[in-house]
Amino acid sequence: ETAVFQTPNYHVTQVGNEVSFNCKQTLGHDTMYWYKQDSKKLLKIMFSYNNKQLIVNETVPRRFSPQSSDKAHLNLRIKSVEPEDSAVYLCASSLGQGAYEQYFGPGTRLTVL
Amino acid sequence: GDSVTQTEGLVTVTEGLPVMLNCTYQTAYSDVAFFWYVQYLNEAPKLLLRSSTDNKRTEHQGFHATLHKSSSSFHLQKSSVQLSDSALYYCALWTGGYKVVFGSGTRLLVSP
Repeated sequence: ETAVFQTPNYHVTQVGNEVSFNCKQTLGHDTMYWYKQDSKKLLKIMFSYNNKQLIVNETVPRRFSPQSSDKAHLNLRIKSVEPEDSAVYLCASSLGQGAYEQYFGPGTRLTVL
Repeated sequence: GDSVTQTEGLVTVTEGLPVMLNCTYQTAYSDVAFFWYVQYLNEAPKLLLRSSTDNKRTEHQGFHATLHKSSSSFHLQKSSVQLSDSALYYCALWTGGYKVVFGSGTRLLVSP
């Protein structure tokens, strides 16, 4: 099956903990993204990678750090979570940079207590 | 900077009636592309429509949209909605850079 896969589906943690989310795409795409979808369903891009290279780094707190081992994998680490980090984190991929369709994963719902 | 505006947070329509979801944009670039993504409950967003040609109607799954650069709009329309069309709809803009800017989303609720 070719798609975008994310783990875990859900994660509940305490303020100050570190969390990591994984994303893998089997579509053969060159570009991957992390989006944050908040409780109001606003969809904001956080990072974008093209062939393992960071190309978009929006204004996000420094506790967020993306990691890409190869063009099929893009992970997201949050060093010390805050309550405002509670959201759904969506991973996406596209054929390349530019006006290509983005394929989204199912998301990881993070709840920070 | 570039921006996409979806003025309606919630649109409620009776099944069988037409609907139009508004999308306007601001950009200084002329080489642009537009997307409508749909997100059903507990699912990932997925592409519904894409267009980069001015004044050309694009259709998919009964929905259609026409990019009008003169009015900076890319409204989504359907002539007869179904209950299964209830979802969250995002309009998005690409301006030749490395990212796509999404609007705030419009929730479409179709009632029987």
